[in-house]
Amino acid sequence: GAVVSQHPSWVICKSGTSVKIECRSLDFQATTMFWYRQFPKQSLMLMATSNEGSKATYEQGVEKDKFLINHASLTLSTLTVTSAHPEDSSFYICSASLAGKSDTQYFGPGTRLTVL
Amino acid sequence: SQQGEEDPQALSIQEGENATMNCSYKTSINNLQWYRQNSGRGLVHLILIRSNEREKHSGRLRVTLDTSKKSSSLLITASRAADTASYFCATDEDNFNKFYFGSGTKLNVKP
Repeated sequence: GAVVSQHPSWVICKSGTSVKIECRSLDFQATTMFWYRQFPKQSLMLMATSNEGSKATYEQGVEKDKFLINHASLTLSTLTVTSAHPEDSSFYICSASLAGKSDTQYFGPGTRLTVL
Repeated sequence: SQQGEEDPQALSIQEGENATMNCSYKTSINNLQWYRQNSGRGLVHLILIRSNEREKHSGRLRVTLDTSKKSSSLLITASRAADTASYFCATDEDNFNKFYFGSGTKLNVKP
């Protein structure tokens, strides 16, 4: 149980375009979802926390207008990288936590974004 | 930022040897967790240790936590080539349940 999927698993896009990444909790309802970014050979950096039905909370230094997060349902959160540039190329990972069990996050397999 | 530090950054050992990696963090925590990540893949949860626990075991894994020193260690005993991966600790920001990951240790177990 507690499986989180991400789609797509990888994407290549041209500079200036927008890319949407989906994060789904497949067999549970996720009240909170998290988005992380991981550059090559580096650790995961928390970008934002999203709660279903409310605005996402962004970490310091993360541009909310560039990384749009929507958590419209208890099983789906989306991250849209707007006007992507090569420096946005990274591995994006989402996670989800269950209501009442916030000490555990279930991680998706990640999405590799390459911006040309 | 509560981003933690891990050492060593890289560790190379022979199969059968033990591997120890350390994690230090900055503020008070509720829990500390260890994860494994194979190259280019998602995270695999290994073990959670709560702030009121000092040691925890799971199979070949042993985790210790010293809240007075704000540090934790992960010991993998009798390592196998399949243990080759990057290992990260993650701490929660007290009362917010957001995870902050350490810098990671890249473990290479040679067959």
